[in-house]
Amino acid sequence: GAGVSQSPRYKVAKRGQDVALRCDPISGHVSLFWYQQALGQGPEFLTYFQNEAQLDKSGLPSDRFFAERPEGSVSTLKIQRTQQEDSAVYLCASTRGQGEKLFFGSGTQLSVL
Amino acid sequence: AQKITQTQPGMFVQEKEAVTLDCTYDTSDPSYGLFWYKQPSSGEMIFLIYQGSYDQQNATEGRYSLNFQKARKSANLVISASQLGDSAMYFCAMRGITGGGNKLTFGTGTQLKVEL
Repeated sequence: GAGVSQSPRYKVAKRGQDVALRCDPISGHVSLFWYQQALGQGPEFLTYFQNEAQLDKSGLPSDRFFAERPEGSVSTLKIQRTQQEDSAVYLCASTRGQGEKLFFGSGTQLSVL
Repeated sequence: AQKITQTQPGMFVQEKEAVTLDCTYDTSDPSYGLFWYKQPSSGEMIFLIYQGSYDQQNATEGRYSLNFQKARKSANLVISASQLGDSAMYFCAMRGITGGGNKLTFGTGTQLKVEL
């Protein structure tokens, strides 16, 4: 596609539910990033993939957060047993390679009730 | 550790006027890059402009220019001839070599409102 695509656009979950957020990067982009953006804040780094390898997951806030990119293209961010503090916009970004500018998707707004 | 500070939570500017959005940064990396992104209400982060720490000249992209003052660790964004469509949230971000040079560290943003 022309840009980074994320789905769903909005997700409402009950506390304790598991959720899965999908990111389709720009075709051919090697690097993929997940960011979390709380209301009124700047995005915070969660994790980074180069092709299918997860090279940095230092930003994942807890072991309830898990990301994968099994074939080096589409990525899924999974949050288990969601908590209210997980409510945020989750942004995905991709780049052609290291040092290139990031192209962001429109994000998934997650609300945990 | 890298840190980006944006001290203006909100700014107003009249259409066709120029506006400067402030950004200061802190890093111990010898080489780094500075970015500005625009986030309209739709949520997407739109890349505006990039400045490398060793670039001799200030970056420009159309109506956007980056006033880079390395000694003061500032990287202010200047938008000339403001348009109504410029109303959005603006984020300054930095990428250093720490962590492989892939992470962006963002500031808290400045909400810009362009008025008639």
